[in-house]
Parts: sequence; structure tokens; C-alpha cells
Amino acid sequence: AAGVIQSPRHLIKEKRETATLKCYPIPRHDTVYWYQQGPGQDPQFLISFYEKMQSDKGSIPDRFSAQQFSDYHSELNMSSLELGDSALYFCASSYGTRNTEAFFGQGTRLTVV
Amino acid sequence: GDSVTQMEGPVTLSEEAFLTINCTYTATGYPSLFWYVQYPGEGLQLLLKATKADDKGSNKGFEATYRKETTSFHLEKGSVQVSDSAVYFCALSEAQGAQKLVFGQGTRLTINP
Repeated sequence: AAGVIQSPRHLIKEKRETATLKCYPIPRHDTVYWYQQGPGQDPQFLISFYEKMQSDKGSIPDRFSAQQFSDYHSELNMSSLELGDSALYFCASSYGTRNTEAFFGQGTRLTVV
Repeated sequence: GDSVTQMEGPVTLSEEAFLTINCTYTATGYPSLFWYVQYPGEGLQLLLKATKADDKGSNKGFEATYRKETTSFHLEKGSVQVSDSAVYFCALSEAQGAQKLVFGQGTRLTINP
């Protein structure tokens, strides 16, 4: 069965650079969630989209932005990268937003040097 | 805000031992409760869930019961295997709201042969 696809799997950037992470949800899933997991930490919710509109916002820095496109894939744009942005970034998708299971991708590991 | 507190790790057990990983939560309303498992280098996989008080979630020999009176959702398995070695996350989401998840800090479980 198709799963959530994230690209790239690994990314190395220098401080102050920008990065774009992509997420391709399971076919027919209309909701996407982004989470950030720092080293040894629990995943923290960043932002979510339902039907291409932002549906919820968590602890996402102002330097980050995201959107969901007409084909339901989503991109997380990160600018002015800092060392503390080094983390595993997960995307999850679901069909609808209520009482439905979210399926996670394998994550993008971002390292800022 | 809502929060999840998990048993401190790491936890090391011998094969066939009994496992308990404690999880308690603080939430307004009646959240849904989840256990996710993360194998090395992989994304988060839903292990089991419960959506209302006294529900028991079960999967692959693991069980957890939603206890509203003690605000707990402890994970148990009667006989663990080496392949159960992973990081386990307890999480909650608002019962009728968006599916964003609030995670506990994770418990690293290692099973020795």
C-alpha cells in the first residue's frame, strides 16, 4: 500500500541558508501535518492543512512557512536556518480531520552546520 | 495546555519478560489516546489507540486501557521479544477536534535475548 513519501530523506545545510522539505500524502488523503523531532525529543506539532487551507498551527517559528498544493502535497519552507533547527521532520496525512488515523512518513533528517 | 507524561527510560528487559510503560495525561475534555512505536531510522507507526473511557486498544500482543479516573493509558505486553526493541510514544488528540497529536517524551525499550 502507498505510504506517505517525504523528500529528501537527508539534508545538510549551512546556517542562514534555506531549505524546502516536501511531503506527498497517501492518495485521497486531504490533510497533512508537520512535526519536528529534535534529538532525543518527542515530536512537536508545527502546522497542519486541510483541503489546502491551514487548519491548525503549533510551535512553528516565523522563519518557517508551509503550504498545501492542489494535488495535496505539502512543502515546508525554512529560512535563515539555525543550528537548533537540526531535527527530524515528520509529515503525516489523514483523510479528514476528525476521529481518523494519521499515517506518518519516514521523515527528513535536517542537519544545519 | 494538554500534556502527556511517560515513564522515564531507557527500559531494558530480557526476552519473554512482562512489559509495562506508564503514561498519564492532562487534557480538557475527552481526548483520544494512542501509542506509537518508532523503530531505528524509521517513522512513527500507530501501535494502538482508544477513543473513550474504558476502551482497550490492542495490537501485536500489546494492550492499553483508557482509564479516565486515573487519566492513564499504560502500555502492557505479557511476553516481549527482541523485535519489540524500539522507542514508544504515548500521545493524545482532542476527541472532537483536529487530529494533531501531543506526544510524551518517549521511552526507549531494549529487549535482550
